[in-house]
Order: sequence, then structure tokens, then C-alpha cells
Amino acid sequence: QVQLQESGPGLVKPSETLSLTCTVSGGSISNYYWSWIRQPPGKGLEWIAYIYYSGSTNYNPSLKSRVTISVDTSKNQFSLKLRSVTAADTAVYYCARVVRGSSPTYYFDYWGQGTLVTVSS
Amino acid sequence: SYELTQPPSVSVSPGQTASITCSGDKLGDKYVCWYQQKPGQSPVLVIYQDSKRPSGIPERFSGSNSGNTATLTISGTQAMDEADYYCQAWDSITYVVFGGGTKLTVL
Repeated sequence: QVQLQESGPGLVKPSETLSLTCTVSGGSISNYYWSWIRQPPGKGLEWIAYIYYSGSTNYNPSLKSRVTISVDTSKNQFSLKLRSVTAADTAVYYCARVVRGSSPTYYFDYWGQGTLVTVSS
Repeated sequence: SYELTQPPSVSVSPGQTASITCSGDKLGDKYVCWYQQKPGQSPVLVIYQDSKRPSGIPERFSGSNSGNTATLTISGTQAMDEADYYCQAWDSITYVVFGGGTKLTVL
């Protein structure tokens, strides 16, 4: 059973960089896409980015200028960096495994428990 | 950018059928999936590729997609089905898109 676990600071100051890591256990990070998704308190889901284990990436156009997603296959981890954060970036951040189907289609079959990141001075 | 629209809330009586819609331009040309999210929990995939159920998801959950609307149907709705439901699709420009979510109330 694949498990994902987010880790990183729960509090980030405005204008600084939010950094999170997702550790994958129970399976290899190889041959899959991996993604970050966030959910502001009381609001809906927002996709941030996904990365293939080989390193190819796609980003939400609305966040692309501030986001970097990366993967470390040796550690079975992938990471998120979000620069120049504001209070609007306060959210629960989830990591998830992506299934790429035909057509194409992408959907998320395994999710981490989520980690709340608050942007505040 | 591509957008998916869901009703904010849907109510259903126990044992009845609940239908939650998701609309988008030519949505029937794309694959749609659905997630269930209960308070304080991570989302759970309940339908993928319009109508397929992952292992462990009860048969009362079904999906369809045609024209501009995808529908998640829950037959014989149970109290445990009360949750927020999100549709999601993939678009070649916007990539991953989520609907705004629908709160299903079983009363």
C-alpha cells in the first residue's frame, strides 16, 4: 500500500519561500507522476504542479511564476517550493500520486494526509 | 482557462438517489473523475475515467459524462456519504482542473 507523507514548516513569513517535501513509502517513485495540491481553509482544491519521476514537469499557469517542483528518486521523495508567499497561500498542502491514463487523463489515486501551512509574520 | 462548475450544495434523504453535476465546455470530450472529502480528511477517489470505480468503492457510486455535463450518482445514499465532492478533469492548456466542490447533505 502506497503511503505519502508531507513534511515542512507549518509557519512561513510573508515574502519568504514555502518548502515542502513528500516522502513516498510502500512503493517506488519511479514510473509515476507526482503532484502537489492545496486547499485554503474552508475552500476547494487547487492543483499546483506535477512531476514525472524522470523530472518533466507541468505547473498551474496561475502559480507557475512562483513554483518549483522537483524529485529525488534516490530518497523516494519529491518537493515543492513556493516563492514570495502571502496570506493567500495559507492552505492545507497535499501531495498525491498521479495516474496518467489514455486520452490523456490525469487523476490522483493516493493522497497524503495534508499539512497546514500558515503564512503570517 | 478551462473551468468546471458544480452546485454548492445538494440534499438527499437517506436511501434516495443523489445526483451531483459538474459542467464545463465540451466536458464530454474529456475524462472526468470524482473525489469524496469528509471533514478533516484527505480526498478519496471514488470515480475515474467518467464511470470507473476504484477498488473498495461501493457499487452505489456511479458516474456518467456527456455533452457539457458529468454526473456523480449515489444510489441508496447513506449517512456516511455526507461529504464534499469534487469533480476533476484534465485540459491541454490549464492541465488539472477541479470543480468548486459540492457539499452533500443527507437528511
